[in-house]
Amino acid sequence: DTGVSQNPRHKITKRGQNVTFRCDPISEHNRLYWYRQTLGQGPEFLTYFQNEAQLEKSRLLSDRFSAERPKGSFSTLEIQRTEQGDSAMYLCASTPTSSSPLHFGNGTRLTVT
Amino acid sequence: SQELEQSPQSLIVQEGKNLTINCTSSKTLYGLYWYKQKYGEGLIFLMMLQKGGEEKSHEKITAKLDEKKQQSSLHITASQPSHAGIYLCGADHTGGFKTIFGAGTRLFVKA
Repeated sequence: DTGVSQNPRHKITKRGQNVTFRCDPISEHNRLYWYRQTLGQGPEFLTYFQNEAQLEKSRLLSDRFSAERPKGSFSTLEIQRTEQGDSAMYLCASTPTSSSPLHFGNGTRLTVT
Repeated sequence: SQELEQSPQSLIVQEGKNLTINCTSSKTLYGLYWYKQKYGEGLIFLMMLQKGGEEKSHEKITAKLDEKKQQSSLHITASQPSHAGIYLCGADHTGGFKTIFGAGTRLFVKA
C-alpha cells in the first residue's frame, strides 16, 4: 500500500491559464473522489468515479472543471481559464468499497494570481 | 456543509487535559467518520461508526455515535502536543455514495 499520490503538490498559475492535476489512487481501489478545501473549511465534494465511470458531479463543479479517469486507474482534474476563486487545496481520495473510509492524498495546493 | 455542524470551531487546551469535540448531522447517518488533518496535508482516517450507540477507541481517543445516529462526539483523554491539528467529521447520508464533511475543529495543545 503506497497510499494515494497527488501531483504536483503546489501549483502557482496566472488567472486565465489552464491547469491539470493528477491523482494516483491505491491500486485496488475502484472508487476515486475529488474534493476542494479552502482555508478554514472542510473538504467540499466535487466528483467521484467508480472505475472509469464518473457517477456524480457537484453543482460546485462549473463548466470550467473537468475530471477523467480513462482506464479506471489514475485520474486528472483540469481547470480551464482559472480564476482567483479557484485558489484552494484540491484533494483526491480513494476507497475499495462504498462502506469503507476514504484514503486521502496530500493534495495539490493551487494559487491563482 | 450545513448538513454537518461541528463544535467548537477551535479549542485551546493545556497538555494533560481532556476535551470533547461534537458533530451534529441534520440527517440520519449511514456512517460517521472521524479524520485528523495537519496543516497543508491530507486527511488521516481515525475511526468509523455505523451503529447507533456504537463506541470505538484508539489509544487516547474515543468516538461515540448516539442512538438516533445523528450526533457523534470525539473525546481525547490526557491531551498531548501530538494531538494538535484539525479534527473533521465526515458523514455518509446516501448509503455509501459520498462523504460530506464538517468545517473542522482546530485543536491547539499548550505544553
